Amino acid sequence: GAVVSQHPSWVICKSGTSVKIECRSLDFQATTMFWYRQFPKQSLMLMATSNEGSKATYEQGVEKDKFLINHASLTLSTLTVTSAHPEDSSFYICSAQTGLAGVAGEQYFGPGTRLTVT
Amino acid sequence: TQLLEQSPQFLSIQEGENLTVYCNSSSVFSSLQWYRQEPGEGPVLLVTVVTGGEVKKLKRLTFQFGDARKDSSLHITAAQPGDTGLYLCAGGGYSTLTFGKGTMLLVSP
Repeated sequence: GAVVSQHPSWVICKSGTSVKIECRSLDFQATTMFWYRQFPKQSLMLMATSNEGSKATYEQGVEKDKFLINHASLTLSTLTVTSAHPEDSSFYICSAQTGLAGVAGEQYFGPGTRLTVT
Repeated sequence: TQLLEQSPQFLSIQEGENLTVYCNSSSVFSSLQWYRQEPGEGPVLLVTVVTGGEVKKLKRLTFQFGDARKDSSLHITAAQPGDTGLYLCAGGGYSTLTFGKGTMLLVSP
């Protein structure tokens, strides 16, 4: 149980174009999903928290107009990197949170999406 | 801001050796989770500890949560090459997780 998928697993795009990444919880409903960015040999950096039916909460320093997040259902969140530039190249990982009452819900991570902007 | 410090940052050992990874903070966490991440993949949850002083075992891995719920350790007995990966601790607040910088473990045959 608690499987999270991401699509695509890797994508190469040209500078100036937009890329959409999907995150799905396959066997559970997730009211909250998270988007992370990870650079080589570094830990995860939280970009934003996505709640179903409401606007995402972005971490300080993350441009909300550049990284558009939509959480339209309890099983799907999308991250769109708009007007991508080479510095946006990174490993993007989503996670979905279970709703354990009284405890910080465990997060289950997708396999990640490798974005390369040329 | 809650911070989690992991040590060591990098560990290279031979198969069969034992090791301990530490995760420390000045803040109290309601729960603490350990993840393992392999290159090019997402982190996989290993364990969640909730109660101060709690000890959990997962085969050759032993996880301990400090009495004050500010620190945790991961001990691996008789490490195997398959244990190679990035080990991340994460402290739970109400919803978001605070991640440590990770410990990169390399186990050589």
